[in-house]
Amino acid sequence: NAGVTQTPKFQVLKTGQSMTLQCAQDMNHNSMYWYRQDPGMGLRLIYYSASEGTTDKGEVPNGYNVSRLNKREFSLRLESAAPSQTSVYFCASSEPTENTEAFFGQGTRLTVV
Amino acid sequence: ILNVEQSPQSLHVQEGDSTNFTCSFPSSNFYALHWYRWETAKSPEALFVMTLNGDEKKKGRISATLNTKEGYSYLYIKGSQPEDSATYLCAFKLGYKLSFGAGTTVTVRA
Repeated sequence: NAGVTQTPKFQVLKTGQSMTLQCAQDMNHNSMYWYRQDPGMGLRLIYYSASEGTTDKGEVPNGYNVSRLNKREFSLRLESAAPSQTSVYFCASSEPTENTEAFFGQGTRLTVV
Repeated sequence: ILNVEQSPQSLHVQEGDSTNFTCSFPSSNFYALHWYRWETAKSPEALFVMTLNGDEKKKGRISATLNTKEGYSYLYIKGSQPEDSATYLCAFKLGYKLSFGAGTTVTVRA
């Protein structure tokens, strides 16, 4: 049972390059999330998707776009990477009910030089 | 932006001592409050999901309480062990949105 799978695990980009972070879950969850983790700041919500076909901005959406491709997959795209986007990115999924936890992928460490 | 705040940011505990720390969140429109444990180089894992005012949850030596009317939750670690060293995150769920605090990093000294 894979749970939440993120690819790639590591990536180095040059400023201005674009890339897409992939996330897939096999738990049949409706809701999916993208977070970034920076030292001393916990997890900050970038975008979330309540269900297939819907996406909403989180707390720090600028510079990112997302696609909820189907129920399993939720991708995060950086169109023109900036050094400020150097971070560890986590994808998570859950059911939208109030009493269910979120499950996290293993993270993607992105460095923009 | 949902204001989820945790304090202290970090704390050091002697092995065998007990400790606790706080998560505060908006008291209006409460939906759920989560606690996660996050070890270095791993992914966050859920400890508790709390939905009712007055909820108390326990898992081994770790427990949590919830006060939705005043907007706070406490996490307690009894008899801390080195394996309890981790960052503890709380998260406030409002509808579909799950927003995290910055975490409390606990270091247990042997």
